[in-house]
Amino acid sequence: QSVLTQPPSVSGAPGQRVTISCTGSSSNIGLGYDVHWYQQLPGTAPKLLIYGNNNRPSGVPDRFSGSKSGTSASLAITGLQVEDEADYYCQSYDSSLGGCYVFGTGTRVTVL
Amino acid sequence: EVQLVESGGGLVKPGRSLRLSCTGSGFTFGDYAMSWFRQAPGKGLEWVAFIKSKPYGGTTKYAASVKGRFTISRDDSRSIAYLQMNNLETGDTAIYYCSSGSLFWSEYYFDYWGQGTLVTVSS
Repeated sequence: QSVLTQPPSVSGAPGQRVTISCTGSSSNIGLGYDVHWYQQLPGTAPKLLIYGNNNRPSGVPDRFSGSKSGTSASLAITGLQVEDEADYYCQSYDSSLGGCYVFGTGTRVTVL
Repeated sequence: EVQLVESGGGLVKPGRSLRLSCTGSGFTFGDYAMSWFRQAPGKGLEWVAFIKSKPYGGTTKYAASVKGRFTISRDDSRSIAYLQMNNLETGDTAIYYCSSGSLFWSEYYFDYWGQGTLVTVSS
């Protein structure tokens, strides 16, 4: 079960800025564990988008940015494009149950 | 080019076993942690199992939902990670993905992913 909470959906027109929140707790993000973000285009495997809260792998456009504060993190997409329509998941580590990797509930981004 | 290719999925009856394989290429397989994830139809991502690289001890971790039933292992000489799944339940039905893990400070993120293999558990 997901222990990180994300909004089910966000939408925006091309060129707009959208943000996706990821809310955790004192056993994961609040304990200092880093947050990573993945993009899953329809019918495909997840792809790493942001690692270590705010680092982009090679090839990821700088329209994507991440931040973390307290028990939450955020992903921002500026200059929204049609090809950004996808599901987005945050991921972190949780110290409970002996330690485990946890995902957010997922957010569907729709480009209007 | 880094590639991860899963295989071994299929239709299996409840209570039976299945072994998934994940073959890596284009990178030094033995230097990376490996992990398995799954995604039930229409649902979100779920972490399943994790194994560190041998230089970091090769230790394993499992999600509570599969602990005692699933076993992750690796054969670095063949660049393959395995997921042995025993006593399968209908709730294990999902696309299973393997991924390579890279260390960031104290924990891992998952940088390369395979295309997934479908496991269907049904009588």
